[in-house]
Amino acid sequence: DGGITQSPKYLFRKEGQNVTLSCEQNLNHDAMYWYRQDPGQGLRLIYYSQIVNDFQKGDIAEGYSVSREKKESFPLTVTSAQKNPTAFYLCASRPTSGATRDTQYFGPGTRLTVL
Amino acid sequence: DQQVKQNSPSLSVQEGRISILNCDYTNSMFDYFLWYKKYPAEGPTFLISISSIKDKNEDGRFTVFLNKSAKHLSLHIVPSQPGDSAVYFCAASGTYGGSQGNLIFGKGTKLSVKP
Repeated sequence: DGGITQSPKYLFRKEGQNVTLSCEQNLNHDAMYWYRQDPGQGLRLIYYSQIVNDFQKGDIAEGYSVSREKKESFPLTVTSAQKNPTAFYLCASRPTSGATRDTQYFGPGTRLTVL
Repeated sequence: DQQVKQNSPSLSVQEGRISILNCDYTNSMFDYFLWYKKYPAEGPTFLISISSIKDKNEDGRFTVFLNKSAKHLSLHIVPSQPGDSAVYFCAASGTYGGSQGNLIFGKGTKLSVKP
């Protein structure tokens, strides 16, 4: 059963702590993405990776870091430098060839609350 | 500066009638457009897409229309059902620079279908 998993669903952290959000996919997709959604806002791109061992900053990368050591995994670290980390975080992936190469598929999301 | 705009934050429709959700874009380099449906605290689900070489794409109750000269697209849902109640996001992508496959999202329109 192929798909994208994000864990945990809800995450609570104290201010000043770094936290890592997990994203795993078994769709054999080359490209992976991290977005953030705030109330009343669209999805804003944090980081993306088109291929293993390579990633690029999106529109709001400050205070975040990523790694792409495996094709299946694209973890996102929210650092203490991120000023407003409380948000709903979404991971997505897409194939880079074939009929659906322009369509991104999303995981269920992680709700991060910083206390 | 928003490149993808959904000017109606909300829309209310009676069950069985047509729902029309609108989206405008400013970047003429966009060549692929998508609609996603999103329930609260869940990831967006891909609904339907259209390439800029077409002006209409249909999938069951969902039809997307693209007017390139007006830089406008719309999603028609006929007939609307209560289960269609969700937030709908319009997204666009284009092959320009190094951002091939990256999506730009509108802020969403919340559709309520009343029984």
